[in-house]
Amino acid sequence: DSGVTQTPKHLITATGQRVTLRCSPRSGDLSVYWYQQSLDQGLQFLIQYYNGEERAKGNILERFSAQQFPDLHSELNLSSLELGDSALYFCASSVGGDFTNTGELFFGEGSRLTVL
Amino acid sequence: AQSVSQHNHHVILSEAASLELGCNYSYGGTVNLFWYVQYPGQHLQLLLKYFSGDPLVKGIKGFEAEFIKSKFSFNLRKPSVQWSDTAEYFCAALLSGGYNKLIFGAGTRLAVHP
Repeated sequence: DSGVTQTPKHLITATGQRVTLRCSPRSGDLSVYWYQQSLDQGLQFLIQYYNGEERAKGNILERFSAQQFPDLHSELNLSSLELGDSALYFCASSVGGDFTNTGELFFGEGSRLTVL
Repeated sequence: AQSVSQHNHHVILSEAASLELGCNYSYGGTVNLFWYVQYPGQHLQLLLKYFSGDPLVKGIKGFEAEFIKSKFSFNLRKPSVQWSDTAEYFCAALLSGGYNKLIFGAGTRLAVHP
């Protein structure tokens, strides 16, 4: 158990819909990262939040947005869903904001999104 | 663009065989390198990492990796694999110079047969 909790584990929805994925980081971790894992793209970095503020942005679509709340949990919102958004979405957390301490991310088990 | 490439997407070995998984990165600056592993049904976890110093780093479960700067490589090795090593392995690079993201390779699925 990594200490990172993601819900829901599985989600099936239709094209055009909107979903929210939730992540609770490890106790004491201030950074939350979102990654998308699809069959043909591998693990793609989407976005990082550190202590409530956006810290780094990767290949995140405009239809996707995220936020980190005062209690440090994070939500990833995916809207106007397309078939190609079907993937496993991972959340990870770390103590600091820039990996300088340990360079280690702690991953959740992922939320599998299927868009039909 | 900065990227991490893993040469083999699927590897099948018999127990006791030696393992080497290739990883190359494309970035001219300072990098920190990692191997993560994802066992079936589990979350990704850190296997080993290289920040500086001895380019041969040892990780958990008998794995090691060698950083070769001239080849932009960080290959993962294990002399004798076990069935329990069946997993997906991800190489990752943390780039310096203002970047703040960990870039992953596409992953290599390893299946070890008894």
